Formats: sequence, C-alpha cells, structure tokens
Amino acid sequence: EVELVESGGGVVQPGGSLRLSCAASGFTFDDYTMFWVRQGPGKGLEWVSSISWDGDRIHYADSVKGRFTVSRDNSKNSLYLQMSSLRTEDTAFYYCAKGGIIYWGQGTLVTGSS
Amino acid sequence: NFMLTQPHSVSESPGKTVTISCTGSSGSISRSYVQWYQQRPGSAPTTLIYEDWRRPSEVPDRFSGSIDSSSNSASLTISGLKTEDEADYYCQSYDGSNWVFGGGTKLTVL
Repeated sequence: EVELVESGGGVVQPGGSLRLSCAASGFTFDDYTMFWVRQGPGKGLEWVSSISWDGDRIHYADSVKGRFTVSRDNSKNSLYLQMSSLRTEDTAFYYCAKGGIIYWGQGTLVTGSS
Repeated sequence: NFMLTQPHSVSESPGKTVTISCTGSSGSISRSYVQWYQQRPGSAPTTLIYEDWRRPSEVPDRFSGSIDSSSNSASLTISGLKTEDEADYYCQSYDGSNWVFGGGTKLTVL
C-alpha cells in the first residue's frame, strides 16, 4: 500500500525558513517523479514543485521560484521542500504526491504569522 | 498560460447522475492527460480518474471520466449519487511540465 507521510510544518515568521519532509513507502520510490501541492485556507489546490526520479528535472511554480528548493534522497525514500523567505501567503497545507497514478499524503500545515 | 475552468458548484439528489465539466483555456484539452481528484471536507485529496478516464482499482465504477475535443472539455460523471460523494472535485492537467488545476467544484448531494 502506498503511503506518504509529510512532516516539518509549523508556525514561522515572515522571512523565515522551514524544511518539509515526505517519507514514502509501499512503492519503488526512485521509479517516480514526485510533487508538492499546497492549499491555502479556503482555497483550491496549487501545484508548487516537481522533481524527476533522478532529481535531474526540477520545476517550480512562479509563486515560489527562487524561494523554495525541492530535493529527494532515494536511499531514504524521502522527498523534501526547503522553504525560505516565507510570506504570509505561503500559509497552506502542503501535500506531497507520487507520480504515475497520483497518490497523496495527508499534508502538513505551514502557517506564516508574526 | 493554460487554465482550466470548472463550475463553482453543482447539486443533485441521491441516486441521480451529475457531470462536472473542466474546460481548457486554449489549445486542445486532448494534448495532455486530465486527472480528477476528490477532496472531502477536512481531508487530503484522493485520485478518482487519471489519464483522462482510467480509474485506480479502489475507485468504484460510479465515477467515470471523458474528453470532448469539440468543446475542449473534460468531464467527470458520477452516477448513483450518494451523500458521501458530497465533496470538492478538482480537474488537473499540464502546461508543459507544470501542473494546472481547475478552481474546483463543490458538489452538494441533497
């Protein structure tokens, strides 16, 4: 059974940094592109970033480009999102998702607040 | 930029059939696969349809997806509506390598 477990969310001041993690199990992690998607309070889904199976192809939404960095460690079956220069509008649930047939984690909440 | 437009809300009675549309802003909706996700209140999204019409094994066949090139639209059809189908539904496709989501449709089953 595919399982994706996000962690690392919390309250952070504007301008601060946070690192999200996603632990994957139940599938061959290094076979798949992985994604981060977020959802602000009362809003729809917004794609944040994607990373290919080998980490060679990385893409970001314009809203986070230059501030967020996605990475993966295939030896640990883990996906990461390093978030810096956080803004209040980055407040959202952050979900990791597996490529192919898309499976979703339960999400971790990031709150930007002073 | 490529955009996907969904109706803000739809409603239908239990046991009936409802169709949710997802219209592409430009080009052909057929150029990239469309996925459909369900999100119940307070929960993470789950995948109902991938690659236009395929269903994960755990999704009941009451849910079906289709593409209509003439209207540049994708559709999600839910038959035999149940109260548990009350949720937000999102379509998703691609703009190059980037994911694009529709704004979401709130389904009310009453």
